[in-house]
Amino acid sequence: DSGVTQTPKHLITATGQRVTLRCSPRSGDLSVYWYQQSLDQGLQFLIQYYNGEERAKGNILERFSAQQFPDLHSELNLSSLELGDSALYFCASRRGLANTGELFFGEGSRLTVL
Amino acid sequence: EDQVTQSPEALRLQEGESSSLNCSYTVSGLRGLFWYRQDPGKGPEFLFTLYSAGEEKEKERLKATLTKKESFLHITAPKPEDSATYLCAVVDSGYSTLTFGKGTMLLVSP
Repeated sequence: DSGVTQTPKHLITATGQRVTLRCSPRSGDLSVYWYQQSLDQGLQFLIQYYNGEERAKGNILERFSAQQFPDLHSELNLSSLELGDSALYFCASRRGLANTGELFFGEGSRLTVL
Repeated sequence: EDQVTQSPEALRLQEGESSSLNCSYTVSGLRGLFWYRQDPGKGPEFLFTLYSAGEEKEKERLKATLTKKESFLHITAPKPEDSATYLCAVVDSGYSTLTFGKGTMLLVSP
């Protein structure tokens, strides 16, 4: 158990809909990362937050947005969903800001768009 | 742009048959190379961090090594419980974020 909690574990929805994925980082971790994993693309970095502020952006679509709240949990919002958005979405956390050292991953949220 | 290429994509071994997985990378100033293990339906689990060429790390049957262009994950006398996807990732001098390879799916048969 990494200490990172993600909900829901599975989500099935239709094209055009909007969903919210939630992540609670390990106790004491200030940095939260979101990754998307699909069969053909592997793990793709989406966005990083540190202590409530956005710190880095990767290949995140404009239809996607995220935020980190004062209690440090984070939410990833996916809107106008398309079939290609079906993937595993992982949240990860670490204590500090620098991208070195161990990154702790949650078990992921599997999104299926029909 | 950082690039990480892992080979082979899949590897099937018999229990006890040692082998190596490869991770080649192109980065602007390597600041760290990471190995993760991922079981089906689970999140990646950290194994090793390597920071400079010549460095080696070991954990049970796994040994990771690093050169200036690639890293190897050596698996000695593997067991079925070593079956998983092994992911390699790098961080560059900008400390921007981890860039992952697509992984090597390892299956160890009894």
